[in-house]
Amino acid sequence: DAGITQSPRHKVTETGTPVTLRCHQTENHRYMYWYRQDPGHGLRLIHYSYGVKDTDKGEVSDGYSVSRSKTEDFLLTLESATSSQTSVYFCAISESPGGGNEQFFGPGTRLTVL
Amino acid sequence: DAKTTQPTSMDCAEGRAANLPCNHSTISGNEYVYWYRQIHSQGPQYIIHGLKNNETNEMASLIITEDRKSSTLILPHATLRDTAVYYCITKYNTDKLIFGTGTRLQVFP
Repeated sequence: DAGITQSPRHKVTETGTPVTLRCHQTENHRYMYWYRQDPGHGLRLIHYSYGVKDTDKGEVSDGYSVSRSKTEDFLLTLESATSSQTSVYFCAISESPGGGNEQFFGPGTRLTVL
Repeated sequence: DAKTTQPTSMDCAEGRAANLPCNHSTISGNEYVYWYRQIHSQGPQYIIHGLKNNETNEMASLIITEDRKSSTLILPHATLRDTAVYYCITKYNTDKLIFGTGTRLQVFP
């Protein structure tokens, strides 16, 4: 299995509080991604990174920010959590985005916003 | 990226081949076909991908029609551990894997 860890694995927080999720990889892959998964929606891309300090928005980026100061770490921040951000969050990595390169996923973080 | 269509659910007897179809009629010439699966509560797992030719690895085989408008993922000897949601995705030179709702495969004893 690809060396991807996510922390925390579970978190319960209250509306309005800031939350930061961490994705750590040991594969030295250039590309990292954050997805959320909700019932009936499959996985949806929030943000992705194509290198240190290089990030871009996905399809559901509102309310989220990201940072990547090191190759191995990609942080997802909810500046002020809302109940609609209750979800399971998955991090993924890939060597490149082009066709023919697969993504490897982490174990997920289950976030509950009360 | 092309949109894919998959059946919502399928059943398969343990030990038999599971054949999961996927339609991608608007696929462009350089788009790959990827298959991932997600076992309950875990992160998606890459299975196989292909462009034009059929592909086989230790997990599965991928059969792509000559016109590339559809494909079939074959699990040759399904086990109970293959029970999962299977996603068929087409992907060109972009950063995004666009997941649909997939096919829920139930393998029964």
